[in-house]
This record gives sequence, structure tokens and C-alpha cells, in this order.
Amino acid sequence: GQSLEQPSEVTAVEGAIVQINCTYQTSGFYGLSWYQQHDGGAPTFLSYNALDGLEETGRFSSFLSRSDSYGYLLLQELQMKDSASYFCAVWATDSWGKLQFGAGTQVVVTP
Amino acid sequence: GAGVSQSPSNKVTEKGKDVELRCDPISGHTALYWYRQSLGQGLEFLIYFQGNSAPDKSGLPSDRFSAERTGGSVSTLTIQRTQQEDSAVYLCASSLAGQGAGNEQFFGPGTRLTVL
Repeated sequence: GQSLEQPSEVTAVEGAIVQINCTYQTSGFYGLSWYQQHDGGAPTFLSYNALDGLEETGRFSSFLSRSDSYGYLLLQELQMKDSASYFCAVWATDSWGKLQFGAGTQVVVTP
Repeated sequence: GAGVSQSPSNKVTEKGKDVELRCDPISGHTALYWYRQSLGQGLEFLIYFQGNSAPDKSGLPSDRFSAERTGGSVSTLTIQRTQQEDSAVYLCASSLAGQGAGNEQFFGPGTRLTVL
């Protein structure tokens, strides 16, 4: 089976930088995805990392270290609209198509 | 369609009744997924379809839960003899292909199920 750990909540001010860490344990690993979910909304895809390193998409970047079973999502130049829950999710080799989600990190952005 | 749609958006039912939840995926998406999300929690995988086949049913919580997909499109999740612990938001997602890891999943708005 798989397990993922991420912090439950992070608070930061507008304009700041936030890093959400995700550690995982899985018997086989393809890659790590990140999703954003606003209160009452549907999750939306942010990024996917299959290889080690940093992927940058605008203000958001995602990092993966396969050897450390660790990844993070970096949110830069925080805006109020970034207040949401962020989920890391593992694609594992023991089950095609099954995406295992972490419990989520609630990011609260304050003025 | 423009996106994944689900119906109903809200469902209130009495304990012991059966419910059916419907998902219309994005046209052309071959993979379809069902998840359950309890308040303030992460997404719990239920079942995945590739076309009309369900290679992985391991997430279904009990034999009261079943799902089918017809014509490679619409899917129905059925919960029989509902229990209060079934209360949650049921989310459906679709993607272009299921067996390529990392394929972006597009989520519907969910069905909020309340079992009294």
C-alpha cells in the first residue's frame, strides 16, 4: 500500500512564499501529482513530477526527489486567491490508474 | 461537454435506502474515476474505469457499493442500504487515458450525499 504525509495547515501573508512538503511510502512509484481545491469546489490539477528536479509553472513550482521519497509544492508571490487546500497524490505501480491522495494542506493567505 | 458533470448535486436520503449517483465525463475521455471525500479530508479512491471495464475495484468500501459504465461514457455509482457513514461528497473525474501515470484528471463538482 501507500501512505503520504503533508502538513495540515500553513498560514502566510500576501506576497510571501510557501512550501508544502509531501513525503510518501509506496511499494512502487511512478510519480507525484499536486491538486488544488478551493472550499466547496472541485480539485484542479497543478503539476506532475515523474523525474527528479524542479518543474516550474508560473508562480507555482513542484519538486521531486525519488531517492528521498519526497516532494514539495512551492507557491510564490502568494495571493488571496491561493487560499485553498493542496493535495499531493502518488501514482503507484501496483495499481494502474489509482491515484492515492494525501490528506491535504490548507493554505491560509492573510492580508 | 465543457466539463465533467455530476447529478444530483445534493442528495438527502434515509438510512437503508438505495441511491444512484451519475457522472458524465468529458467527451472522448476513456478513463473515469470515482472518489469519496469526507468533510475536511482527502480524496479516497473508490473505483477506476478504462472504457467500460473496471480494472481496479479495490477502493469500494463494501459490497453495498457498485459502479458501472456504459458506452464508454456515463457512469453510475450505486450505494445500497445506505448508512450514515456513507455521508460524504462523491467526486467523479475523467482523463484522456488511464494507464499513463500523471494524466491530468478533470473533476466534476461532486454530489453531496447526506444519509439521515
